[in-house]
Amino acid sequence: DTGVSQNPRHKITKRGQNVTFRCDPISEHNRLYWYRQTLGQGPEFLTYFQNEAQLEKSRLLSDRFSAERPKGSFSTLEIQRTEQGDSAMYLCASRPSAASDAPQWTQYFGPGTRLLVL
Amino acid sequence: AQSVSQHNHHVILSEAASLELGCNYSYGGTVNLFWYVQYPGQHLQLLLKYFSGDPLVKGIKGFEAEFIKSKFSFNLRKPSVQWSDTAEYFCAVNAGFGNEKLTFGTGTRLTIIP
Repeated sequence: DTGVSQNPRHKITKRGQNVTFRCDPISEHNRLYWYRQTLGQGPEFLTYFQNEAQLEKSRLLSDRFSAERPKGSFSTLEIQRTEQGDSAMYLCASRPSAASDAPQWTQYFGPGTRLLVL
Repeated sequence: AQSVSQHNHHVILSEAASLELGCNYSYGGTVNLFWYVQYPGQHLQLLLKYFSGDPLVKGIKGFEAEFIKSKFSFNLRKPSVQWSDTAEYFCAVNAGFGNEKLTFGTGTRLTIIP
């Protein structure tokens, strides 16, 4: 079990550029989540997938944000036309299906991608 | 909508002191409750969780939390803290059956003075 991994760990970009982050969940975890954390705040839910299906999106996820999980394994989060307000830590989490023997409902978090928009 | 309040933003304690961090949530139905910890430079890790049953739950590293339904609270405790407990602590709630979203509090930064 190598844990949830995220790449890159840090990203600095100029306003108006597009950025893409990748998340690799724990193997065989069918649920994958994206959260955003700004300074002094707790993580805020953005969206989640069950396998390749995106089942819920927060109102925080504007039209400039898109997330995919094409084969039900890794996921990408793209931000188009970045704004300074997008600067944050983007966290990915995963958990196994409720039918498995693993502890239910525990989301395992990755190290995050820290985005700075200049 | 569910929400979580952590009233202590920054707590400073000496080693061996007792700890209690407050967490209150707002949701009238069934909830799952969590405490996560983030050590300096590390990612969020689960300390403990409550789903049902005994309202006093024990977690890793000597932490425990008590679910008091009437007070909508899930306070975190440790009888004797160590310098290595210095970290940020987040309370989170997952409300209702089939709700996948975790709602976090703003966190409490704990500093332990050796």
